[in-house]
Amino acid sequence: DTAVSQTPKYLVTQMGNDKSIKCEQNLGHDTMYWYKQDSKKFLKIMFSYNNKELIINETVPNRFSPKSPDKAHLNLHINSLELGDSAVYFCASSQGSGSYEQYFGPGTRLTVT
Amino acid sequence: AQSVTQLGSHVSVSEGALVLLRCNYSSSVPPYLFWYVQYPNQGLQLLLKYTSAATLVKGINGFEAEFKKSETSFHLTKPSAHMSDAAEYFCAVMRGGATNKLIFGTGTLLAVQP
Repeated sequence: DTAVSQTPKYLVTQMGNDKSIKCEQNLGHDTMYWYKQDSKKFLKIMFSYNNKELIINETVPNRFSPKSPDKAHLNLHINSLELGDSAVYFCASSQGSGSYEQYFGPGTRLTVT
Repeated sequence: AQSVTQLGSHVSVSEGALVLLRCNYSSSVPPYLFWYVQYPNQGLQLLLKYTSAATLVKGINGFEAEFKKSETSFHLTKPSAHMSDAAEYFCAVMRGGATNKLIFGTGTLLAVQP
């Protein structure tokens, strides 16, 4: 049983396209996150949702829009893709208050050509 | 503002040798500290965490880390390296509270030589 899953694992697309990445967790956690890992392996948080409410929104271009239909899912939609959006995007989840551990998905490697 | 610094982007050890990966943190409040491991083309896996309980924290796969407030350090160690330990290791700090935002270091790539 995969705790945090992401689809697709690989995504190759052209500049200007719109794409979505999906994330699901079956851990019963209240909080979910999106992180971006760049080509130098640097990880930076983008968004966080707690019980479907946005609680962290870092300085991310508004072409990126997260959506949480329920607390087990957090999707990331990206409009008008740019070359600089090429990265690995990780979804994570945590129980929220108390344990603080974040459990990460396998990542989605996005390549914009 | 909180931050972590990982000294050494690449560390190479021989199989069976001591592993020491360095992490220093900056935080104005008592931090929560974590070490994560990332194997090639995989997600991050939690190795261990410090959340203001015991200063010596034991994790999975034989790793441990010691929180030293006076040195603002949280170095990761393992007495004897195994080939399977070759991976990227990330130290991270969190303030906690409502946001639970993890701030990562730049990572250390551990190579294990036979």
